[in-house]
Amino acid sequence: DVKVTQSSRYLVKRTGEKVFLECVQDMDHENMFWYRQDPGLGLRLIYFSYDVKMKEKGDIPEGYSVSREKKERFSLILESASTNQTSMYLCASSFRGPNNEQFFGPGTRLTVL
Amino acid sequence: GENVEQHPSTLSVQEGDSAVIKCTYSDSASNYFPWYKQELGKRPQLIIDIRSNVGEKKDQRIAVTLNKTAKHFSLHITETQPEDSAVYFCAARESGYSTLTFGKGTMLLVSP
Repeated sequence: DVKVTQSSRYLVKRTGEKVFLECVQDMDHENMFWYRQDPGLGLRLIYFSYDVKMKEKGDIPEGYSVSREKKERFSLILESASTNQTSMYLCASSFRGPNNEQFFGPGTRLTVL
Repeated sequence: GENVEQHPSTLSVQEGDSAVIKCTYSDSASNYFPWYKQELGKRPQLIIDIRSNVGEKKDQRIAVTLNKTAKHFSLHITETQPEDSAVYFCAARESGYSTLTFGKGTMLLVSP
């Protein structure tokens, strides 16, 4: 069974704090993704990575950065959290090929006060 | 880039009825169209997908149809059951890319 795990289910941070969200997958997937999910807006891609140390901006990268030092781990970093970054964050992973079903983690509900 | 529109945003049906969710996409180069189901409080999971060389695909009570000319695809659920209640997301992937563009989601409520 594919397993994608995220470091926290719930997180509360203060404005201006640096926030780290971590995602780990155990299926040797090349691709890893970070999305945010907001009501009425669906799933919006923040960043994705197709290999170690490689990253590509998604649709809404502003205010975020990422790190992929190991194949199984993909971190999302909020350099200076703001209230408009309060959201559900979902990590996903997939193989690189055409049959690229994305497997999602359970999500992290981040609240920035 | 790709743009995916999904309708309706909410859909209420009675148990046993059929439900149809429709999506349109903008990039004619897109060639892979998955559908994800997200139950309340859970992660999205793939339920069915279709590739651009196929017009229809079925898996028990769910089916997906694709009209490449019109650039739209639809999810059909027959004999709906309360456990079908969830948010459904359509998505499209452009040829040669690894990323998906998702629709905004449809909340399906099946009443017993």
